[in-house]
Amino acid sequence: ILNVEQSPQSLHVQEGDSTNFTCSFPSSNFYALHWYRWETAKSPEALFVMTLNGDEKKKGRISATLNTKEGYSYLYIKGSQPEDSATYLCAFKEAGGYQKVTFGTGTKLQVIP
Amino acid sequence: GAVVSQHPSWVICKSGTSVKIECRSLDFQATTMFWYRQFPKQSLMLMATSNEGSKATYEQGVEKDKFLINHASLTLSTLTVTSAHPEDSSFYICSARRRGSEAFFGQGTRLTVV
Repeated sequence: ILNVEQSPQSLHVQEGDSTNFTCSFPSSNFYALHWYRWETAKSPEALFVMTLNGDEKKKGRISATLNTKEGYSYLYIKGSQPEDSATYLCAFKEAGGYQKVTFGTGTKLQVIP
Repeated sequence: GAVVSQHPSWVICKSGTSVKIECRSLDFQATTMFWYRQFPKQSLMLMATSNEGSKATYEQGVEKDKFLINHASLTLSTLTVTSAHPEDSSFYICSARRRGSEAFFGQGTRLTVV
């Protein structure tokens, strides 16, 4: 069983604050790292697919970085807004014909107005 | 993005009965569909992968006779929890992917077996 960990499990930030959280994954047999945003009662929404070491991706106020050699990815949110409140999931896809995806437990973000 | 519809969003059933959950890709043809299960405070655990027209591939520890998966068309996969017991109570969610693209998730189904 692959170990994909996310930290912190949950956090509360004030509106306007910037925040970041971590996804740790195995540093071997890497294929891709996905980030999802999952609002309550909705479908998880894909944010980023990251494949290359050193990748940096940005979508509005949200950005992510990737270090495949040490096995971690950071997700940053700049100037958090209440609508950013959600659970952020990362998913590690390992190389090989099957390309199995293993999810982390998520970071639950609550932005306080 | 593409739309995946999962139905029902929640269901309560009696112990010993069977429950069917549907996963539909509404605006694309899904060559592969995935079924996940999530226990409280745990991550999404892949149960099985199904390709249209072929038998599902189950993950280790998932009973294929208990969790029947059918992917009869390119837009529909079903998960049937047979002879459900309280320990099967969980959150089940599907995702669907067309060839060469990312996967899109349904909204999930909360199953409670009483």
